[in-house]
Amino acid sequence: DIQMTQSPSTLSASVGDRVTITCRASQSLGIWLAWYQQKPGKAPKLLIYKASTLESGVPSRFSGSGSGTEFTLTISSLQPDDFATYYCQEYDNFPWRFGQGTKVE
Amino acid sequence: EVQLVQSGAEVKKAGQSLRISCKFSGLTSTNHWIAWVRQMPGKGLEYMGINFLRDSDARYSPTFQGQVTMTIDKAISTAYLQWSRLKASDTAIYYCAIHGDGAKYWGQGTLVTVSS
Repeated sequence: DIQMTQSPSTLSASVGDRVTITCRASQSLGIWLAWYQQKPGKAPKLLIYKASTLESGVPSRFSGSGSGTEFTLTISSLQPDDFATYYCQEYDNFPWRFGQGTKVE
Repeated sequence: EVQLVQSGAEVKKAGQSLRISCKFSGLTSTNHWIAWVRQMPGKGLEYMGINFLRDSDARYSPTFQGQVTMTIDKAISTAYLQWSRLKASDTAIYYCAIHGDGAKYWGQGTLVTVSS
C-alpha cells in the first residue's frame, strides 16, 4: 500500500503569510492527489484535485503543484478563514490514503 | 444540487450491531464511488471502503475488511455502513462522500459512540 507523509504536522502563521504544505508518497501517484480543508465539527472540503486543479468555488489563493511522489499545497496570502486542518489524499489505487494532516494555527 | 444526508448520532454498547445510512440525491449518473471515511476522536481521516454506485462493487481497506459491510439500495438512493459486533474502538465520526476526482460531496457525518 502507498504511504503518505505530510509535513509539517502543525504550522504557525499569520494573516497575509504565504503557507506551504508538503505531501510525499511512498510510490508514484502520477497526478492522482487531492487536498482538503477541514474545520472543527465539519466535513472536509475539497480544495484541489488532480494535484493542481482548483475545485470550483475555491479561492484562487489556494494552489497545488507536483506530480509523482512530491506534492505541495500553497496558500498565497493566508486569510482568517483559512485557519484549519489540511489533508492530502492519494487516489491512484484503492485503498486510498490520507496524509496525517497539517493544522494551520 | 448533490446532497448527502446521514442518519443521526448513535450510542451503543460493545457487542451490539448497528447500521448507519447516507441518503444521496441530485446525482445525474451512477458512475460514482460512494466512500465511507472514519475520523476517530481528535484524529485524522481514514478511508474505510468504496462502493461503486452503478454495480455496487465494494472494495474495503485492509483495516476494515471483515469489520464492516457497505451496501447500497439504489431504489431509495441510500448507502449503508453496518457492523455486526461493535467495539469501543469503533467510536468515531463516520462520513459518506461521493468520490470522482477527489471527494467533492460529503455527508454531515454520523457520530457513533460505543461504550464498553
